[in-house]
Amino acid sequence: KQEVTQIPAALSVPEGENLVLNCSFTDSAIYNLQWFRQDPGKGLTSLLLIQSSQREQTSGRLNASLDKSSGRSTLYIAASQPGDSATYLCAVRANDYKLSFGAGTTVTVRA
Amino acid sequence: DTAVSQTPKYLVTQMGNDKSIKCEQNLGHDTMYWYKQDSKKFLKIMFSYNNKELIINETVPNRFSPKSPDKAHLNLHINSLELGDSAVYFCASSQANRWDSPLHFGNGTRLTVT
Repeated sequence: KQEVTQIPAALSVPEGENLVLNCSFTDSAIYNLQWFRQDPGKGLTSLLLIQSSQREQTSGRLNASLDKSSGRSTLYIAASQPGDSATYLCAVRANDYKLSFGAGTTVTVRA
Repeated sequence: DTAVSQTPKYLVTQMGNDKSIKCEQNLGHDTMYWYKQDSKKFLKIMFSYNNKELIINETVPNRFSPKSPDKAHLNLHINSLELGDSAVYFCASSQANRWDSPLHFGNGTRLTVT
């Protein structure tokens, strides 16, 4: 059974600092990995999707890396802004196509 | 334009009641899902439908019955509600059988059973 862990559970940084969010998974036989953003009272917004054959994906200030062999992914957010405050979840799709979510890291960017 | 919309946003009801949550997507996707987010914030798949056909049915009590009248709608009916059913329920959609396509989520329905 795939288990996905995100540490830390919460993170508070001053505006302008770079953010580093970690995701680890127990079974390295994955199909892909997605990072989502969840705002309070809202659904999830897909940020980046990394296929198992890829090492990283970039979108604007966001960069996600994937190291399948060690069961890790990292989401980097450069030059954080107060609008980046949200909960960030990673989800791993196994080769049986089931999606397993982590519990998320809640980020607060202080102005 | 709301891509995936759920109603109601909040639902408060008593144990033993029957309730429904509706979901509609206007993205032209063929695959729709129901997820449950518990108090610890973990999201777990409940059901998945592809073009009105059930393709994923996780270990969910049979008090939960999804219904897909067409590929743009996936409703969730819950019978005999229990306290443990309190959670946020999310509907989502993706392109048909495209496991490499991102999921699009609704804003969730917060169900509280008293």
